[in-house]
Amino acid sequence: DTAVSQTPKYLVTQMGNDKSIKCEQNLGHDTMYWYKQDSKKFLKIMFSYNNKELIINETVPNRFSPKSPDKAHLNLHINSLELGDSAVYFCASSQDTMWGRDSPLHFGNGTRLTVT
Amino acid sequence: GQNIDQPTEMTATEGAIVQINCTYQTSGFNGLFWYQQHAGEAPTFLSYNVLDGLEEKGRFSSFLSRSKGYSYLLLKELQMKDSASYLCARLDSNYQLIWGAGTKLIIKP
Repeated sequence: DTAVSQTPKYLVTQMGNDKSIKCEQNLGHDTMYWYKQDSKKFLKIMFSYNNKELIINETVPNRFSPKSPDKAHLNLHINSLELGDSAVYFCASSQDTMWGRDSPLHFGNGTRLTVT
Repeated sequence: GQNIDQPTEMTATEGAIVQINCTYQTSGFNGLFWYQQHAGEAPTFLSYNVLDGLEEKGRFSSFLSRSKGYSYLLLKELQMKDSASYLCARLDSNYQLIWGAGTKLIIKP
């Protein structure tokens, strides 16, 4: 199946731990993203990579570090997890950065992170 | 969201028609998206409008008025599977997406 897939789907961990979320897309897209969806359901962009290069880096704590080994993968590593990091994290991809009807965002199924 | 307003929740009856409105800040506009998100799932693309007017795609239509900063998503012949959140997102002048909080649509038999 062609898709954006991310793992794990659920992640429960304690404060202070370090964790990673993996994302892969087989759609042949050039651009990948990490979004955070908080309890109020707002989607906020965190990072965007185009052909393995960082193009958007919103104001997120530097405990969050994206890594793109190739243009089909964009992983998210989080150090020293805090309670406020609890949210659903979505990976997404698009054909290019100039979005439109022909280049919408395709989302993964999300990773629900719970920090206790 | 940043200057994107849409109702928090709406209820409609199976087989009926519902219109979900979205208003947004008009400055730096490059288009408007609608996405559907079922509970616990990924948002999926529904429509994109950049010019004024109505675009129809099956049971779903999307309308845009750029001068009014207004869009709506029209769902016809509602089915139970249409119960979901509907997210409005504006593409700004930097081609970044600004998302609304979504409208939770509840369909009743």
